[in-house]
Amino acid sequence: ETGVTQSPTHLIKTRGQQVTLRCSSQSGHNTVSWYQQALGQGPQFIFQYYREEENGRGNFPPRFSGLQFPNYSSELNVNALELDDSALYLCASTWPTTDTQYFGPGTRLTVL
Amino acid sequence: GQQVMQIPQYQHVQEGEDFTTYCNSSTTLSNIQWYKQRPGGHPVFLIQLVKSGEVKKQKRLTFQFGEAKKNSSLHITATQTTDVGTYFCLSGNTGKLIFGQGTTLQVKP
Repeated sequence: ETGVTQSPTHLIKTRGQQVTLRCSSQSGHNTVSWYQQALGQGPQFIFQYYREEENGRGNFPPRFSGLQFPNYSSELNVNALELDDSALYLCASTWPTTDTQYFGPGTRLTVL
Repeated sequence: GQQVMQIPQYQHVQEGEDFTTYCNSSTTLSNIQWYKQRPGGHPVFLIQLVKSGEVKKQKRLTFQFGEAKKNSSLHITATQTTDVGTYFCLSGNTGKLIFGQGTTLQVKP
């Protein structure tokens, strides 16, 4: 167990809706990264937060946004959902000064 | 931008055979990490390589980082059914992380 939790486990939304996914980091981890993993593909880096500030971003449109809170938990928000947003969304937290990613179990999002 | 190519995409082996997956980058990497994802699970950290030419072993798993720090490999000796899963390399710097496409290993008992 990595100590990283995510909620909800599964979610079904319709096109155009908005969704918020949550991640609770392992104690002491001040960096969190979010990934999108489509079926049969590798995880794609969405963005990373460090001490509540966005610290880097992959090739995802602005409708993907995030927050990190003082207790280092975080949220991923996706607006105007599209069918292609259906995927497993993973968060990973990291110890300070390392790059090792400790992944949560993921949220499976289905957009109909 | 930086890209990481991982091959092969799939590999089916008989239990007891060896397995190798390779990651190649278009640019020099500061470090590379390897993860394993079991079917239905999430990626689990295996190891990180930092130094040019570094070789690390974990039981039947051998990890190598190329001299030019542009490629890496994971070799499993005498595969077992418990090795089934998808193996990913991860590279990049803080704030921009890139996974390889993964190699899915199937092991026939």
